[in-house]
Amino acid sequence: GDSVTQMEGPVTLSEEAFLTINCTYTATGYPSLFWYVQYPGEGLQLLLKATKADDKGSNKGFEATYRKETTSFHLEKGSVQVSDSAVYFCALSTGNAGNMLTFGGGTRLMVKP
Amino acid sequence: EPEVTQTPSHQVTQMGQEVILRCVPISNHLYFYWYRQILGQKVEFLVSFYNNEISEKSEIFDDQFSVERPDGSNFTLKIRSTKLEDSAMYFCASREDRGDYQPQHFGDGTRLSIL
Repeated sequence: GDSVTQMEGPVTLSEEAFLTINCTYTATGYPSLFWYVQYPGEGLQLLLKATKADDKGSNKGFEATYRKETTSFHLEKGSVQVSDSAVYFCALSTGNAGNMLTFGGGTRLMVKP
Repeated sequence: EPEVTQTPSHQVTQMGQEVILRCVPISNHLYFYWYRQILGQKVEFLVSFYNNEISEKSEIFDDQFSVERPDGSNFTLKIRSTKLEDSAMYFCASREDRGDYQPQHFGDGTRLSIL
């Protein structure tokens, strides 16, 4: 079945540091890929998405590129802020009847001033 | 921006009791979903709902669970005879019907605590 693996956290960085959160996937067919973010006490918010190979999703300074050859969708940001502290979830959808999302385990990011 | 709203934010229930979790999806969305997240574990798909019927469900979604769209706005998850292991955060999500790649929009979740 489909699966998503992301690096375990927590990831602790100083403000303005470079962020990478690794995500790899296994899927039948050609999935769409997503990053969701969960701020403390809140629900899951879509951060960015990519729907086909070599697409780059971007939002709020975050980027991720859909790499079919390495089945990866790593999240990057050049300069993190304290306000980026949250849990980040990588997810895929294969466009089947229900378009269900399959999530990775989540990575907690803590940014220190 | 339109939001998915879930009520209550926290539900405490005695084991064996029935519980109904409520969701109001975004008004022009036609696909509805429930997910759960047991503390410290992955977000897991439970069920998807389209055109007034279940379109897909996971192994978790057994006879203990049911979903309903009782009117034009609410989407509910009923858990019968709750067990301790049903304690989790339950998320509702909805999606437009504009093609395969429209993202799902999530509510803030209901934390269910079974005592």
